Amino acid sequence: QKEVEQNSGPLSVPEGAIASLNCTYSDRGSQSFFWYRQYSGKSPELIMFIYSNGDKEDGRFTAQLNKASQYVSLLIRDSQPSDSATYLCAVKWNSGGYQKVTFGTGTKLQVIP
Amino acid sequence: KAGVTQTPRYLIKTRGQQVTLSCSPISGHRSVSWYQQTPGQGLQFLFEYFSETQRNKGNFPGRFSGRQFSNSRSEMNVSTLELGDSALYLCASSLVSSGTTDTQYFGPGTRLTVL
Repeated sequence: QKEVEQNSGPLSVPEGAIASLNCTYSDRGSQSFFWYRQYSGKSPELIMFIYSNGDKEDGRFTAQLNKASQYVSLLIRDSQPSDSATYLCAVKWNSGGYQKVTFGTGTKLQVIP
Repeated sequence: KAGVTQTPRYLIKTRGQQVTLSCSPISGHRSVSWYQQTPGQGLQFLFEYFSETQRNKGNFPGRFSGRQFSNSRSEMNVSTLELGDSALYLCASSLVSSGTTDTQYFGPGTRLTVL
């Protein structure tokens, strides 16, 4: 069973700070990595994906991937109270010619005004 | 382009009944995946359909089944409902699902409560 681990939190950060969300995965063959944001009572919405080692930036969000350490993170700069949500890490891996996705259980982020 | 739609949004059933949930993917998307989300277990993969064929299946009992139609719309059915089936059921669509960066987009979900 492919595993994706996230600290459940809550992670509390003050408004304007950088929030750092982490995710580790068990399968070295994992190929792509996705971050979703889920507000309470709502469905997950895609923030960004990354598949190459290094950083990928999109506005206030930066995804960082280190395949050697099997580690992917999401940085949120200038955190806002509206960023308070649960962040899900998803890992895509190949099995029998098909792509499968495993989700972590999510990290709850609280941005304190 | 319209997003993923799911019906109904809320459902209340009693133990032993069965239920059918529906999902319409984004236009042009051919892959539909179903997930069950509960507070304790997070997002659990149920199954994936592509071109009317079940391509992947998670570790759920046979009471959970699904199908996909030629227009890519999908339904999932749960028979003999149990209290533990109370959850948010999410449908996600993607273009083909075989691409490394092919992305899943989620519908609003169906909140099922079993009494």
